[in-house]
Amino acid sequence: GAVVSQHPSWVICKSGTSVKIECRSLDFQATTMFWYRQFPKQSLMLMATSNEGSKATYEQGVEKDKFLINHASLTLSTLTVTSAHPEDSSFYICSARDTSGGRQWQFFGPGTRLTVL
Amino acid sequence: QKEVEQNSGPLSVPEGAIASLNCTYSDRGSQSFFWYRQYSGKSPELIMFIYSNGDKEDGRFTAQLNKASQYVSLLIRDSQPSDSATYLCAVRYGGGSEKLVFGKGTKLTVNP
Repeated sequence: GAVVSQHPSWVICKSGTSVKIECRSLDFQATTMFWYRQFPKQSLMLMATSNEGSKATYEQGVEKDKFLINHASLTLSTLTVTSAHPEDSSFYICSARDTSGGRQWQFFGPGTRLTVL
Repeated sequence: QKEVEQNSGPLSVPEGAIASLNCTYSDRGSQSFFWYRQYSGKSPELIMFIYSNGDKEDGRFTAQLNKASQYVSLLIRDSQPSDSATYLCAVRYGGGSEKLVFGKGTKLTVNP
């Protein structure tokens, strides 16, 4: 149980275009999902906390107008990178917390590798 | 600022040996501690979690927590080449927050 999927697994786009990444919890409901970004040889950096039915909470330094997050249901959160530029190329990973049974840890999706040309 | 520190390594051990990975954290209010394993190009997967002082064992893995010293470690016994990966220490600081703060990870190489 506790499977998180992401789509697409990789995407290549031209500079200036927008890219949408989906994160789904497949066998549990997640009121909260998290979006991370990881640059090569760096650790995971939390970008934002996605809350079902309300606005996302962004970490300091993350542009909310550039990284649009929508958490429309208990199993789906989307991250849209608007007007992507080469410096946005990174590995984007979502996670969801399965609180059933008192569990407190986050399960990660497989990640989406974004390359902006 | 809440920080999690790890020795970036690389840590190299021979097959069958014990690998010891260490992590320190800055905030005494921390409540939950996690070890994730990340293979190159993949997303992290949970290895161990620990909430209370002392040791917690799961198969070849043992997590150790010392809240007084703000220190958490992961021991891998009988290391295998398949254990070669980057190990991320993550801390949940509590206070109602569900956020995790990750260390930069320690790259482990197990040599056959």
